[in-house]
Amino acid sequence: EAGVAQSPRYKIIEKRQSVAFWCNPISGHATLYWYQQILGQGPKLLIQFQNNGVVDDSQLPKDRFSAERLKGVDSTLKIQPAKLEDSAVYLCASSSMAGGHGYTFGSGTRLTVV
Amino acid sequence: GQQVMQIPQYQHVQEGEDFTTYCNSSTTLSNIQWYKQRPGGHPVFLIQLVKSGEVKKQKRLTFQFGEAKKNSSLHITATQTTDVGTYFCAGRSARQLTFGSGTQLTVLP
Repeated sequence: EAGVAQSPRYKIIEKRQSVAFWCNPISGHATLYWYQQILGQGPKLLIQFQNNGVVDDSQLPKDRFSAERLKGVDSTLKIQPAKLEDSAVYLCASSSMAGGHGYTFGSGTRLTVV
Repeated sequence: GQQVMQIPQYQHVQEGEDFTTYCNSSTTLSNIQWYKQRPGGHPVFLIQLVKSGEVKKQKRLTFQFGEAKKNSSLHITATQTTDVGTYFCAGRSARQLTFGSGTQLTVLP
């Protein structure tokens, strides 16, 4: 089966600019996750969707980050305005059951904010 | 909130030596998952443990889940250069999966 697709692979922006990341999960996977991975740390959950509804966004900095999954398939994560500390890899993952099985991660988007 | 700690942060071993990484949660877990991330890559799911005291093996890898379901370990027997990467545990409590900080394994040929 095709994996989790993410784009772009790399992005460099200046602070205070905006950026968007796109994710297409594995076909049929109802649950989609966005994780932030800062260099040298483990992935940190930003938001979890079940179909097109938000299950958990408790760690999403809502003053600057937003995410949507309008048709319950692909998803977009946006940062506006970006800060230097947002430099990280943004990983999208999907699973067939919420909490039931392991997650399949995409290759991620490496964001550098200068 | 839930915290998942992993030790050691780094481990260098000679090829053929054994390796163990330990994971501890501040709360009781419903299950624990293990992932491997190669340098420059993304996390890849290895295994999930659910039952108290559960032990699972995958070739040279042995995974254990503690009796209290708050700790876990991953042991690799006779490491190979292909084992290089960062190993993460991820503990599930309620609906959220929290990743540990990982153990970065270097295998010297």
